[in-house]
Amino acid sequence: DVKVTQSSRYLVKRTGEKVFLECVQDMDHENMFWYRQDPGLGLRLIYFSYDVKMKEKGDIPEGYSVSREKKERFSLILESASTNQTSMYLCASRTSGSLNEQFFGPGTRLTVL
Amino acid sequence: QKEVEQNSGPLSVPEGAIASLNCTYSDRGSQSFFWYRQYSGKSPELIMFIYSNGDKEDGRFTAQLNKASQYVSLLIRDSQPSDSATYLCAVKKPGSARQLTFGSGTQLTVLP
Repeated sequence: DVKVTQSSRYLVKRTGEKVFLECVQDMDHENMFWYRQDPGLGLRLIYFSYDVKMKEKGDIPEGYSVSREKKERFSLILESASTNQTSMYLCASRTSGSLNEQFFGPGTRLTVL
Repeated sequence: QKEVEQNSGPLSVPEGAIASLNCTYSDRGSQSFFWYRQYSGKSPELIMFIYSNGDKEDGRFTAQLNKASQYVSLLIRDSQPSDSATYLCAVKKPGSARQLTFGSGTQLTVLP
């Protein structure tokens, strides 16, 4: 079974703090993704990575950065957290190929006070 | 115009009925289409994908694609209370081997 794990299920941070969200997958997938999910807005892609040290911006990259030093690990970084970054963050991974399934982690509910 | 649009619902159907979930997309060059199911408090999981015009059946689920109308749908036959979830339509971005664009989802409730 493909397994995508995220470092925390719930996280509470203060405005201005630097926040790290970690994602690990165990299936040697090339591609990894970070989304945020908000009511009425659905899943929106923040960043994705298609190889170690490679990254591309998604639809809403502002205020975020990412790091992929190892193939199995993809980190999302909020340099200075703001209240509008309160959201559910979902990590996903998939292997290459048009029709390959994208597997999601359990999500991290981040609250920024 | 949103790239992928779905009615947010909620959509309620009685147990045993057919549930019909609809999705439209704006980019005519889109090639691959996916339906994900997301239970409350859980992460999305893939139900079906489709890339050819017409119908694709898998058990109680049928995906329908009409590229001319830029429309993809999911039919759930003999709906069960366990089908109650949010259904997300996703479209592979033209020119991208990796990126999916998701709709905002339709919440389905199947009433016993």
